[in-house]
Amino acid sequence: DGGITQSPKYLFRKEGQNVTLSCEQNLNHDAMYWYRQDPGQGLRLIYYSQIVNDFQKGDIAEGYSVSREKKESFPLTVTSAQKNPTAFYLCASSISRGTGLYEQYFGPGTRLTVT
Amino acid sequence: AQSVTQLGSHVSVSEGALVLLRCNYSSSVPPYLFWYVQYPNPGLQLLLKYTTGATLVKGINGFEAEFKKSETSFHLTKPSAHMSDAAEYFCAVSDLSFEGGKLIFGQGTELSVKP
Repeated sequence: DGGITQSPKYLFRKEGQNVTLSCEQNLNHDAMYWYRQDPGQGLRLIYYSQIVNDFQKGDIAEGYSVSREKKESFPLTVTSAQKNPTAFYLCASSISRGTGLYEQYFGPGTRLTVT
Repeated sequence: AQSVTQLGSHVSVSEGALVLLRCNYSSSVPPYLFWYVQYPNPGLQLLLKYTTGATLVKGINGFEAEFKKSETSFHLTKPSAHMSDAAEYFCAVSDLSFEGGKLIFGQGTELSVKP
């Protein structure tokens, strides 16, 4: 079955540690995205990538980093510079470029807790 | 800049009653509009989308939404609520000025269904 997988579902880290969240898709989508979800704030875009080896900052990129070495994979690293990293992180992908119809498909998410 | 406003962070209805979740957007160009649902086992699922053509859009699980350009609205409705509809709902607009396919999400509306 095609889809987006995120692992792990729950992640716990100590403050000051970097942590990497995995996102893999087998939908053959060009574009991939990372969002952060906090209660009452909807989804906010962290980073996005339209093609391999290229990515751009979203609205809240500070304290985060990404890579896109393969079409299928778009890992997100939450660095120790992120001041409030505890949140629910959602990865998404989309098929259509250039038309504006960027219907996005989402993974199940990773809940990160930093103490 | 485009934006989305969902009126009411919490909506409660009785089982069998009409569901109405409100969404207003601002856009300088004809928008592409989406409704997503997030169940307690998370990850967002696309309910329906408006691109062009018919302004009344039907989605999954009996939901529909009507695009009203004059009111800049895209409200989500369902004639008869079911207990399984309890979830958080997000309205989103595609930012057509953003080549990366950015979706701008509203803050979300949590729907509760009372027996």
